[in-house]
Amino acid sequence: ETAVFQTPNYHVTQVGNEVSFNCKQTLGHDTMYWYKQDSKKLLKIMFSYNNKQLIVNETVPRRFSPQSSDKAHLNLRIKSVEPEDSAVYLCASSLGAGTGQLYFGEGSKLTVL
Amino acid sequence: GQQVQQSPASLVLQEGENAELQCNFSTSLNSMQWFYQRPGGSLVSLFYNPSGTKHSGRLTSTTVIKERRSSLHISSSQTTDSGTYLCALDHNYAQGLTFGLGTRVSVFP
Repeated sequence: ETAVFQTPNYHVTQVGNEVSFNCKQTLGHDTMYWYKQDSKKLLKIMFSYNNKQLIVNETVPRRFSPQSSDKAHLNLRIKSVEPEDSAVYLCASSLGAGTGQLYFGEGSKLTVL
Repeated sequence: GQQVQQSPASLVLQEGENAELQCNFSTSLNSMQWFYQRPGGSLVSLFYNPSGTKHSGRLTSTTVIKERRSSLHISSSQTTDSGTYLCALDHNYAQGLTFGLGTRVSVFP
């Protein structure tokens, strides 16, 4: 049963546009994450957010930024998309400050033309 | 190099056959997790297994930390088991989970 909700599930846009993906979890978890899955299907952490503490993967370009209104929401904003941003973006959550067991959303597939 | 190595990369099974998927890691870890990814993208958590053996239906996960490996056993495979099985290790909170490339399983009737 899905408890991590992502919207939209698909988005097609052009280079230079701004894109936002929304994520909400109903599990009462303390930590949320964004992962990127590239064309080779490798999943890599982009951000983790816990109790207002943001941890950023240093390889993530600055045009990406997470936005959170409360611990149940963590959105992902891409300021000016590039072709290499085409990927599936997966939101996840876990209980507690450590990673623990992760629960993923359905994913948001971004295609940049 | 890749910190998490999964083997085999792909596997074809006839319905009813058993399968063993391997995951080897090159660093120490806090925990190991197995996920199933459906064709189409969503990930389902199968096991959160820091060490030892866990069972869930036809699936068994065994993690041996000293040997830096974890395995996922599928018994009596069904066509609905088709998909990609990913293992991920948690060795550093700040870095999140480190994923392998997965084992793509295809089960035919």
